[in-house]
Amino acid sequence: QLQLQESGPGLVKPSETLSLTCSVSGGSISSSTSSWGWIRQPPGKGLEWIASIYQSVSTYYNPSLRSRVTISVDTSQNQFSLKVRSVTAADTAVYYCARESDFWSGRGGASFDYWGQGSLVTVSS
Amino acid sequence: QSVLTQPPSASGTPGQGVTISCSGSSSNIGYNYVSWYQQLPGTAPKLLIYRNNQRPSGVPDRFSGSKSGTSASLAISGLRSEDETDYYCAAWDDSLSGAVFGGGTQLTVL
Repeated sequence: QLQLQESGPGLVKPSETLSLTCSVSGGSISSSTSSWGWIRQPPGKGLEWIASIYQSVSTYYNPSLRSRVTISVDTSQNQFSLKVRSVTAADTAVYYCARESDFWSGRGGASFDYWGQGSLVTVSS
Repeated sequence: QSVLTQPPSASGTPGQGVTISCSGSSSNIGYNYVSWYQQLPGTAPKLLIYRNNQRPSGVPDRFSGSKSGTSASLAISGLRSEDETDYYCAAWDDSLSGAVFGGGTQLTVL
């Protein structure tokens, strides 16, 4: 059974960089039929896709966040990471990592079947 | 303003059925697969439907999905009190080269 676990600081100061890591167990992050993504949810609001990575090199970003975000994979550690630079209070949210199972089909990319439990990140001085 | 449009709320009575709509465009729902998620308070979203109408193992057949043109729907039959929560649709958008979510629908079981 695939399991994902987010880790990172729960509090980040404005203008600094938010860094989160998602550790994957029960399966390989190098799987050719999986892509990996980050989704966030501000308190009381809906889901917002942030970024996805496929085959460790193909990266995709939400256009509204592209200039501040980087997603990457560390195959040796079986984990993937997210960095959000120059954060503001608007970046306060629960951040989820997730496995997407249908990107390889050419018509998928939003079928996130395994999720981490979520990591609340608060941006405040 | 979400790329995919869902009604903010829906309601139904126990035992009845309800349908939640999701409207998009040719660059997302029109060509790509639609997924639906159920999110209980304080928990991660759970995949309910993928590839427009497929249910992952363990999802009751009371939940069904359909797609027509640039719109999709989630139907829930035999409503139960535990179905009262938030539902989201999602799809890949080729114009944006990214995944997009609907704004979410809060379902009330009266």
